[in-house]
Amino acid sequence: GQQVMQIPQYQHVQEGEDFTTYCNSSTTLSNIQWYKQRPGGHPVFLIQLVKSGEVKKQKRLTFQFGEAKKNSSLHITATQTTDVGTYFCALPDSNSGYALNFGKGTSLLVTP
Amino acid sequence: NAGVTQTPKFRILKIGQSMTLQCTQDMNHNYMYWYRQDPGMGLKLIYYSVGAGITDKGEVPNGYNVSRSTTEDFPLRLELAAPSQTSVYFCASSSRTGEAFFGQGTRLTVV
Repeated sequence: GQQVMQIPQYQHVQEGEDFTTYCNSSTTLSNIQWYKQRPGGHPVFLIQLVKSGEVKKQKRLTFQFGEAKKNSSLHITATQTTDVGTYFCALPDSNSGYALNFGKGTSLLVTP
Repeated sequence: NAGVTQTPKFRILKIGQSMTLQCTQDMNHNYMYWYRQDPGMGLKLIYYSVGAGITDKGEVPNGYNVSRSTTEDFPLRLELAAPSQTSVYFCASSSRTGEAFFGQGTRLTVV
């Protein structure tokens, strides 16, 4: 499958601090999705980015898709304890064109 | 709507035993997937399906088999369980290029 690198692997912040995770692909992507998985839970869809340079916001979350469509980022402003979990980027499998390949994720810990 | 339902939630198998992980979805999605997630790791694709009667291997298919006789159901079969198959298994479904909906997961331990 396609290779995707997600960094950092872990991030520990104080509540109120900002957080960013990055996803980088070796190839140009048709789209990229982001998921959140709470501890002990299952992945839950957050957003899909399709257009070059696209920026989407969901309350305190900002998602960006790079101009070359090879990288993406998720930024959380003023983290809260409810943001705790692992954030994954997912991109279409190069063989099927639709099955998702997931990055290894960034685990976010927020302490009050 | 129930979404994606997986059974069982937990299972302990002895080495060499076999079992089937059940997955059913009620969203009329054509696309279904099986992933495994090892502790602290991302999700690895085991098998996927674009519709009834069609299945394809993902990144880690060895030791597993699937079938897709209906749109709703996508069971995963483990033959001759090995300790390396200890993992959390997630079934998911989607429309083409749409968001994937995941089941609650099956936590499998092989001893």
